[in-house]
Amino acid sequence: SQTIHQWPATLVQPVGSPLSLECTVEGTSNPNLYWYRQAAGRGLQLLFYSVGIGQISSEVPQNLSASRPQDRQFILSSKKLLLSDSGFYLCAWSSTRGTGELFFGEGSRLTVL
Amino acid sequence: AQRVTQPEKLLSVFKGAPVELKCNYSYSGSPELFWYVQYSRQRLQLLLRHISRESIKGFTADLNKGETSFHLKKPFAQEEDSAMYYCALVSYNTDKLIFGTGTRLQVFP
Repeated sequence: SQTIHQWPATLVQPVGSPLSLECTVEGTSNPNLYWYRQAAGRGLQLLFYSVGIGQISSEVPQNLSASRPQDRQFILSSKKLLLSDSGFYLCAWSSTRGTGELFFGEGSRLTVL
Repeated sequence: AQRVTQPEKLLSVFKGAPVELKCNYSYSGSPELFWYVQYSRQRLQLLLRHISRESIKGFTADLNKGETSFHLKKPFAQEEDSAMYYCALVSYNTDKLIFGTGTRLQVFP
């Protein structure tokens, strides 16, 4: 069966420090991968979308970047965190068949102080 | 522009009461619409999709193209229905899901 792992679950970082959130998927190949940010009152905002290794689509301008070094690995990064980067980040995957069903990770809560 | 609107941040009902969580969308073409649910301490997961025209956990949702709505309904709410509900649409020929801001449903005993 397919599984998705996301870590760390919680992270507290000072302003200006770097960030790396990792997400891996098991049990499937060539998945579509996503990073969303979940904020109270703002719902789920799609940050990045990837259909393959090295293929990243950025959905909103921001201080973050994403990379896909391997087929089932998706990394969310920042060189210098801002206070506004605080939030709950969700990784998700879907098959390439276009069913519209996303499978979400457990999320990573980032607090920037 | 593609957009999903959920006007209610919070909906509180008593057990056994009918529930309707509102969702309106903006989309040029024929949308594919979904409801996702997040129970306390659980992952966000798919509840139902309009194309399946199915009832899941007693919930149904009908796509109304005239009103551009996809409201989620249940005739008799249960306490275990308390959760965060998100309406979403998928862009044509991609898997990019656009979510609404979510509605928290509280069902009181």
